[in-house]
Amino acid sequence: QKEVEQNSGPLSVPEGAIASLNCTYSDRGSQSFFWYRQYSGKSPELIMSIYSNGDKEDGRFTAQLNKASQYVSLLIRDSQPSDSATYLCAVTPTSGTYKYIFGTGTRLKVLA
Amino acid sequence: GAVVSQHPSWVICKSGTSVKIECRSLDFQATTMFWYRQFPKQSLMLMATSNEGSKATYEQGVEKDKFLINHASLTLSTLTVTSAHPEDSSFYICSAVLQGNTIYFGEGSWLTVV
Repeated sequence: QKEVEQNSGPLSVPEGAIASLNCTYSDRGSQSFFWYRQYSGKSPELIMSIYSNGDKEDGRFTAQLNKASQYVSLLIRDSQPSDSATYLCAVTPTSGTYKYIFGTGTRLKVLA
Repeated sequence: GAVVSQHPSWVICKSGTSVKIECRSLDFQATTMFWYRQFPKQSLMLMATSNEGSKATYEQGVEKDKFLINHASLTLSTLTVTSAHPEDSSFYICSAVLQGNTIYFGEGSWLTVV
C-alpha cells in the first residue's frame, strides 16, 4: 500500500517564525513531489514542486527532498497569519502516472 | 490566474435528483482530468480519471453508474451525480495536468443534497 504521511497538527507558530512541515512517503521509486496549500472551504493551490534531492527555494518557501530517507519538507520563513491553512504533500508513484497520492495534510496556525 | 475553472461553486439539490458539475481547462488542452471528493477535515480522495474521448477510469469503490463522467472535448470534463442522496454531499474538485506532470485544481464545487 502506497502511503504519504503527514502529521495532522495543528502546528502553531508565532508570526515571523519559521514553520517546518514534514512528509514521508513509502514508495521509494516516487518521482515527483508537491506541496499544496488549502484554505478552509477552498481547493488546493500549488506552492512548490521538487524533483531532485536538495533544497528548492521560492520566496519565503523552501522545499527539501531527501529520497534516501523518503522525506520531503516545506519550510515557511517569516510566517504570516495568512499562511494559516492546511498544507498537503503529494507524491507521484513509481509508475509515473499523474495519479497523485496525497497526504492527509498538516494544519498550520500562525499566531499574530 | 486560474488555469482550471469549475462550475458551479456550490449547488443544493433535492434527494433523488441529478446534478452536473463542469470542469474546464483555460487556455490549454487537457487530455486528462481528475475528479476528487473531499469530506470535511479529510484529505482528497481520487474518484476517477477522465480521459478525453474515452471512458473514465474509476477508483475502487466509486460507483461509475452513480458518478457519470464525460470528457467530450479537450477543455471540458463533466461529473454528474445521479440520484443524489444526502451522503453524497461533499466538496468535489477537478484537476488537470499542465506543464509536464503538475496538477492544477479547479475552485471546487460544494454539493448539498437535501
